[in-house]
Amino acid sequence: GAVVSQHPSRVICKSGTSVKIECRSLDFQATTMFWYRQFPKQSLMLMATSNEGSKATYEQGVEKDKFLINHASLTLSTLTVTSAHPEDSSFYICSAPLGQASTDTQYFGPGTRLTVL
Amino acid sequence: QKEVEQDPGPLSVPEGAIVSLNCTYSNSAFQYFMWYRQYSRKGPELLMYTYSSGNKEDGRFTAQVDKSSKYISLFIRDSQPSDSATYLCAMSTGGGNKLTFGTGTQLKVEL
Repeated sequence: GAVVSQHPSRVICKSGTSVKIECRSLDFQATTMFWYRQFPKQSLMLMATSNEGSKATYEQGVEKDKFLINHASLTLSTLTVTSAHPEDSSFYICSAPLGQASTDTQYFGPGTRLTVL
Repeated sequence: QKEVEQDPGPLSVPEGAIVSLNCTYSNSAFQYFMWYRQYSRKGPELLMYTYSSGNKEDGRFTAQVDKSSKYISLFIRDSQPSDSATYLCAMSTGGGNKLTFGTGTQLKVEL
């Protein structure tokens, strides 16, 4: 089946530093990717939609200057958490639809656990 | 009112039991319905995918969608300890569009 990878799987950083998370579609091209965050025992909350070749679309309440998204190619999207603070500690997950047809669905990466000290 | 409602559980059942997981929703524009399974500290894994109303079966799993009632279900037959996970329902207005998730139901299947 379709595979989406994320790197790193886990990162611990000091407050004030920036962290970059990569999301790759391994055997298919994705013009659109989605970024979610998930707090313990809670569901996934959509943060933004990453669009190849254009600006990302952010959900209400998500700071675009804090969560920088770059969709550099048809197989890679990156999320950079700038000036991270402890409240940014969370599980970040990306997803990508398999194609552009109306019946396509989304496949998720394994997630990146960010801990900000 | 949330767009998608899901009983968070936890739900504990004995091995071999039939499990019923449910979600209700309010947005009549939803056309695509999915069930994901998420193990602790892992990304969600797609289990079932259904378009519009009807039933779909895959092995021990059956998904049902009743658009008239805005109600979807996932049934797990002959449940196994390895089925212990959080089950998330998700839906969208179109394939490839953003998903709206339920809060997830935590399931534990005990020996």
